[in-house]
Amino acid sequence: QVQLQQWGAGLLKPSETLSLTCAVYGGSFSDYYWSWIRQSPGKGLEWIGEINHSGDTNYNPSLKGRVTISVDTSKNQFSLKLTSVTAADTAVYFCAGGYTNVDGFDYWGQGTLVTVSS
Amino acid sequence: DIQLTQSPSFLSASVGDRVTITCRASQGISSYLAWYQQKPGKAPQLLIYAASTLQSGVPSRFSGSGSGTEFTLTISSLQPEDFATYYCQQLNSYPRTFGQGTKLEIK
Repeated sequence: QVQLQQWGAGLLKPSETLSLTCAVYGGSFSDYYWSWIRQSPGKGLEWIGEINHSGDTNYNPSLKGRVTISVDTSKNQFSLKLTSVTAADTAVYFCAGGYTNVDGFDYWGQGTLVTVSS
Repeated sequence: DIQLTQSPSFLSASVGDRVTITCRASQGISSYLAWYQQKPGKAPQLLIYAASTLQSGVPSRFSGSGSGTEFTLTISSLQPEDFATYYCQQLNSYPRTFGQGTKLEIK
């Protein structure tokens, strides 16, 4: 059974960089596509981007080049960095994974509330 | 971006009822649609993928149908644990997008 555990700073100031990491336990890390999704009251669920074990990525253009997703296959981890955060980036951030990148996300992390406030 | 519109946004029903939630896409997405259930404070849980394939472990009272631009999620007989918020998601093109959600409440 695949389990995802995520962590990272929960309180940021405007212009800082959001950094979250998700560790994958169980299963075969290289068999899955790994994604980040966020949820805020105003915008619902928003897909941020995805990566595979080879490091191939797809990002949401709405984040205008501020996002980077990376993978560390030696640790079975993947990470999210979002630069120049504003209050609009306040949300619960989830990591998630799917066996394919077209059949939805089978596995989810527990979520991390990130608040951006001066 | 492909927009997904769910209807209704709120639904009040009773245990034992049959309910249907609709998800309409702004353009055709073949069968690349997933449905999720989310309870307060929890991550979404995958119910159905490829529009009509039941995820392993999900009760058979959940079913999905549709293709192209119109999709439905049906719960055949509501159970107390089914009261939650439901989301559709398209995986036909990037960026992946979600519907705005349907909150299913106890009548």
